[in-house]
Amino acid sequence: DTGVSQDPRHKITKRGQNVTFRCDPISEHNRLYWYRQTLGQGPEFLTYFQNEAQLEKSRLLSDRFSAERPKGSFSTLEIQRTEQGDSAMYLCASSPGSGNEAFFGQGTRLTVV
Amino acid sequence: DQQVKQNSPSLSVQEGRISILNCDYTNSMFDYFLWYKKYPAEGPTFLISISSIKDKNEDGRFTVFLNKSAKHLSLHIVPSQPGDSAVYFCAARDRGSTLGRLYFGRGTQLTVWP
Repeated sequence: DTGVSQDPRHKITKRGQNVTFRCDPISEHNRLYWYRQTLGQGPEFLTYFQNEAQLEKSRLLSDRFSAERPKGSFSTLEIQRTEQGDSAMYLCASSPGSGNEAFFGQGTRLTVV
Repeated sequence: DQQVKQNSPSLSVQEGRISILNCDYTNSMFDYFLWYKKYPAEGPTFLISISSIKDKNEDGRFTVFLNKSAKHLSLHIVPSQPGDSAVYFCAARDRGSTLGRLYFGRGTQLTVWP
C-alpha cells in the first residue's frame, strides 16, 4: 500500500496524559499536513511541513501540541497534558511539491476520558 | 470565520437520480477548489477538483461547476449510486499561499437510497 499511513488508528487516553501519533506520507511527497476534525465539522488545518521544515502553524495548535518531521520523512504529532477538548480525529495528508491535491491518511481517532 | 460553507448538512436522493451538492465561499483569493468524499472512520478521499480559470470539470459520473461571480460551486453526481453515500467536503486553496493549505466546509451527508 503506497498511501498515507497513520498509527495508531484509535487512541483512548486519560486526561493529563501525553500522546504521540505517527504519519508516514506517500514516499515522493515533500509536503505534509496535519488537520483535526471534530464532530460536525470539516477538517481544520493544524500545521504544515515542507521536507523537514515546519513552515506554518495554526492558532489551533496550542503550546501543548508539537509536531516534528525529522529527515523530511515520517512525522509525529505529540499532545501533552491532554484535555477532553482534544478528542477528535487527527488527519495527516501529503502532497507532491507541484501538486494541488492532498492525499489523506485514515486518521487517528483520539478519545480523552 | 467559516470561509467555505456547505449549508446543507444532508441530502437524500434516489438511486439513478442526480445528486447536487452545493458550496459557497467568501474568500476571493481562493483559486483552486476540491471535493473530498469521506466514509465513517476513514480519512477523506480526493474526488475531483477545479481551477478558478475554468467553470466546469468532468470526471465520469462527477462534474464540478464553478461560478466565480457568485462564489459558488456545485458537485453533480449522475447517476447516483448507493455506494456514493458518504459525507462530501468542499475545500479551497488560497492563491496567496504557497503552502497548499486547504480550507474545508462542514460537509454534506449524502444518502442514496435504492
